[in-house]
Order: sequence, then structure tokens, then C-alpha cells
Amino acid sequence: DIQMTQSPSSLSASVGDRVTITCRASQSIATSLHWYQQTPRKAPKLLIYAASSLESGVPSRFSGSGSGTDFTLTISSLQPEDFATYYCQQGYSTPLTFGGGTKVEIK
Amino acid sequence: EVQLVESGGGLVQPGGSLRLSCAVSGFTFSSYWMHWVRQAPGKGLVWVSHINTDGSTTTYADSVKGRFTISRDNAKNTLYLQMNSLRAEDTGVYHCVRPRGDGLNRFDHWGQGTLATVSS
Repeated sequence: DIQMTQSPSSLSASVGDRVTITCRASQSIATSLHWYQQTPRKAPKLLIYAASSLESGVPSRFSGSGSGTDFTLTISSLQPEDFATYYCQQGYSTPLTFGGGTKVEIK
Repeated sequence: EVQLVESGGGLVQPGGSLRLSCAVSGFTFSSYWMHWVRQAPGKGLVWVSHINTDGSTTTYADSVKGRFTISRDNAKNTLYLQMNSLRAEDTGVYHCVRPRGDGLNRFDHWGQGTLATVSS
């Protein structure tokens, strides 16, 4: 199974900050990496697919990069609605696996 | 509009069974693989199982293999998850999930989930 490791597990930031979350795969997954945002008591929402493609309707302040084993989600200027938990997920092989999540909290 | 509505969760004793259902609308159900993803209280997302378009191919996470069965009824636009021999660690919200359908295994539509609680 491919293990997905996210860091940090949590972070505190202020509105307007640039935030970076990393995700590492235990083996190469090419660009088969997707990012989700989850707010409390809601279902996850797809933000970025195939490592760097922005899902339709997602604000352009979200961006993704990486390939192989190392990936990054960046929020260029944090907005109040961005305080949430973010998950990466590999779509390369079954069993599909998620990272442990990064909780972005208000400083 | 794509809609995925789960039902069937509840409180069950260890060793018991539950059958979850996911009624879908807004898209051609028979054209999409479907998945179940669960989330234990306060924890992260865990993929559970998937099924191909006609139900002939299924795959499971090791943690549920031999205990859970995924199935579908394309005539009723409904996905199922039969959960047997339930354990406390199976407790969580179970989401029915539809991938985009482009082979990337990206999940662009999620149901709100149904809570299964395994406790004595």
C-alpha cells in the first residue's frame, strides 16, 4: 500500500498569510495526487487534481505542485473561509489512500 | 444536479450488521465506478471499497475484507455497503463517493454521509 504523509498536522495562520502544506508518498505516484478541503460537519471538497490542476469553481489562491513523491498545496492569501482541514489523496493505485490531514487554524 | 444521499447508519453492537444505502440522482449511475470512504470521529479519511459499473469487480481495504460487501442496483440508482461482524473501530461516518470518471480516481462528488456506531 502507498502511505501518504502530510505535514504539518496543524498550523496557525492569519488572514492574508501564505500557507504551504506538504504531502509525501511512500513511492512514486507520478502526478496522481489530489487535494481536498473539509470544514466541520461537511463532506470533503475537491480543490486540486492531478497535482496542479484547479478544480472548477475553486478560487485561484489555491495552487498545487509536485510530482513523484513530493507535493505541495499553497494558499497564496488565506481567507476566513479557508480555515479547515486539508487532505491529500493518491489516485495511483488501490487501495486509494489519504494523508492524515492538516488543520489550518486562526492565529 | 448530482446528489448522493446515504442512509442506513445507526447504533449496533459489536459483531452485528448494518446495510448502508446510497441513493443517487443527477447523473447516469450505471456509467460510474462508485466508492465508500469512511471517517472515524475526529479522525481522517479512509477509503473502504469500490465497485465497477456493472458490479462485476469489487475491491476492499484490508481492514474490511471478508466482512464488508459492496454492491449496486443500477435499475434503482442505488449503491450499497453490507457490513457484517462489525467492530468498534468500524465506527464512523460513511460517505458514498463518485469519482470524475476520467481514470484519475479524483472524488468530485460526496454524499453527506451516514453515521455507523458500533458499541455495546
